[in-house]
Amino acid sequence: AQTVTQSQPEMSVQEAETVTLSCTYDTSESNYYLFWYKQPPSRQMILVIRQEAYKQQNATENRFSVNFQKAAKSFSLKISDSQLGDTAMYFCAFMKRHSSGTYKYIFGTGTRLKVLA
Amino acid sequence: NAGVMQNPRHLVRRRGQEARLRCSPMKGHSHVYWYRQLPEEGLKFMVYLQKENIIDESGMPKERFSAEFPKEGPSILRIQQVVRGDSAAYFCASSPQANQPQHFGDGTRLSIL
Repeated sequence: AQTVTQSQPEMSVQEAETVTLSCTYDTSESNYYLFWYKQPPSRQMILVIRQEAYKQQNATENRFSVNFQKAAKSFSLKISDSQLGDTAMYFCAFMKRHSSGTYKYIFGTGTRLKVLA
Repeated sequence: NAGVMQNPRHLVRRRGQEARLRCSPMKGHSHVYWYRQLPEEGLKFMVYLQKENIIDESGMPKERFSAEFPKEGPSILRIQQVVRGDSAAYFCASSPQANQPQHFGDGTRLSIL
């Protein structure tokens, strides 16, 4: 069974600094997708970034980038120039195609990030 | 283009009552997913539906829980005879294709008295 592990329950970072959130996963599959979602205090789930496992190039979205290490099964999120609005829970998620043809997410337990003024 | 709409945002029920949670997917999305989030935990998959069909309900309890996505109207997650342990945030997500990122609604917070 696939598992997703986020080993940092809480982190903090000074405004304008850079922070990296870690995520590891366990799978025997070669084709899958990885995502980072942000859940601010308002409790919405907001897609931050996605990565297809077959792509070697790390995904980037403005201040957010990932370090995808397929062999190590690691998918960390780097937030550059942290802003107060980045304060949120961050969830790493894994998705693959099941034999039934369905896709579904498996989420990690989350990392609570606090950006300090 | 409206996002995934869930209602109500908050729902309070007494033990033994029924809870109905509604979800309207984004326009053009025919794949709907329901997740449950307990306090301080990640989201756990419950059920995946396409129009009028349940595709995967492996994460949904066999008793008291049911889901539907009719041809017309929103998807409904129904919990009968609620118990305290059903208190959680229930999120609905939708996608245009099965392997595309899922877009989430704001969730329904269910509280059981």
